[in-house]
Amino acid sequence: EIVLTQSPATLSLSPGERATLSCRASQSVSHLAWYQQKPGQAPRLLIYNTSNRATGIPARFSGGGSGTDFTLTISSPEPEDFAVYFCQQRSGWPPSFTFGPGTKVEIK
Amino acid sequence: QVQLVESGGGVVQPGRSLRLSCEASGFSFSNYGMHWVRQVTGKGLEWVAIIWSDGSQAYYRDSVTGRFTVSRDNSKNTLYLQMDSLRVEDTAVYYCARALEHHRYFDAWGQGILVTVSS
Repeated sequence: EIVLTQSPATLSLSPGERATLSCRASQSVSHLAWYQQKPGQAPRLLIYNTSNRATGIPARFSGGGSGTDFTLTISSPEPEDFAVYFCQQRSGWPPSFTFGPGTKVEIK
Repeated sequence: QVQLVESGGGVVQPGRSLRLSCEASGFSFSNYGMHWVRQVTGKGLEWVAIIWSDGSQAYYRDSVTGRFTVSRDNSKNTLYLQMDSLRVEDTAVYYCARALEHHRYFDAWGQGILVTVSS
């Protein structure tokens, strides 16, 4: 099973301060996705296939990377962006899906 | 708009069974694969099962294989998760989610339903 590791565990920043979240895979993956989750809510898809924004996601969210190292960037976080972010990948056959442990983005 | 609504959760003793339902609306349910994903309160996300759009294939995480069964009724726009031989470690919020991009991702989620396994 491919293990995803996210860093940092917590990211403290001010609104408008650029945020860069990291997701590292234990072996090479073709693509991955990023999700945002706020307290008491279901996750929401932000980015899929590494760099494609999901429907309705603002342009301040961008994804990149390849192989084992991927990033989610929030160019200028708004107050509503303070949440937990998970990365996720699918691999193998039969299919297996794994999530990273999450990065909490909090207001400094 | 796309809507997924789970039901059927609750408190159950270890070894007993429970069936979750997920009613879909706002999209052509029969055209989409569907997943179940769970989350222990305050913890991370864990994929549970996937079923193809026509129900022809289904796959599970190792820890639930042989105990959980995913199914669907496309005439009722409803997804199911039959959970047998429940264990304390199955306690979690269970989400149904729509599959995107050859089933790789989860692009729409229900609000989640809590399943508590406790004696």
